[in-house]
Amino acid sequence: SQQGEEDPQALSIQEGENATMNCSYKTSINNLQWYRQNSGRGLVHLILIRSNEREKHSGRLRVTLDTSKKSSSLLITASRAADTASYFCATGLLTGANSKLTFGKGITLSVRP
Amino acid sequence: DAGITQSPRHKVTETGTPVTLRCHQTENHRYMYWYRQDPGHGLRLIHYSYGVKDTDKGEVSDGYSVSRSKTEDFLLTLESATSSQTSVYFCAITGTSGSNEQFFGPGTRLTVL
Repeated sequence: SQQGEEDPQALSIQEGENATMNCSYKTSINNLQWYRQNSGRGLVHLILIRSNEREKHSGRLRVTLDTSKKSSSLLITASRAADTASYFCATGLLTGANSKLTFGKGITLSVRP
Repeated sequence: DAGITQSPRHKVTETGTPVTLRCHQTENHRYMYWYRQDPGHGLRLIHYSYGVKDTDKGEVSDGYSVSRSKTEDFLLTLESATSSQTSVYFCAITGTSGSNEQFFGPGTRLTVL
């Protein structure tokens, strides 16, 4: 079963605007990660936030994590046409020999020039 | 890009034939994963490996087997391909258990007729 669920499923914005994507999950996690996938390519890791962190920044990306609400958001500021891609959240649980991620279904972001 | 390659990149096969997909890494990473990606389902874990000869099932393992005889190679075998296994298959790797971000290969598009 899918752990993370992203919202919205699709998002269309104008270049220069901010894009906010949300992810909710159901069980305890060690960390939450966001990935980007350009059409026809493999996923690329964007940012990781640990369960004891509340906010993290990387360039134009800001991710927040609220473990009490079991939710995360990814903000892309000043979006560019090149940000057009699918974005996935993934929840990580580290137990013994297991190091697995469970991915959501993804959000399709379209940035109009 | 992390040193991950997948072969073949595209394959068309017929129902009932066996198919083997190969994932090769040059990073000496311990963990390797096979996912399938289908519209409306996101990424789903098929099998993963946490060391040579150490593998475990993911959420959609039926009809698939894996082998890992050396660190750098992780093979996914469809024992008798079915049309429902038409998909894009991604291999991923991750390093230490301290940070389980994953690096993805370019994918293999498999069509089962």
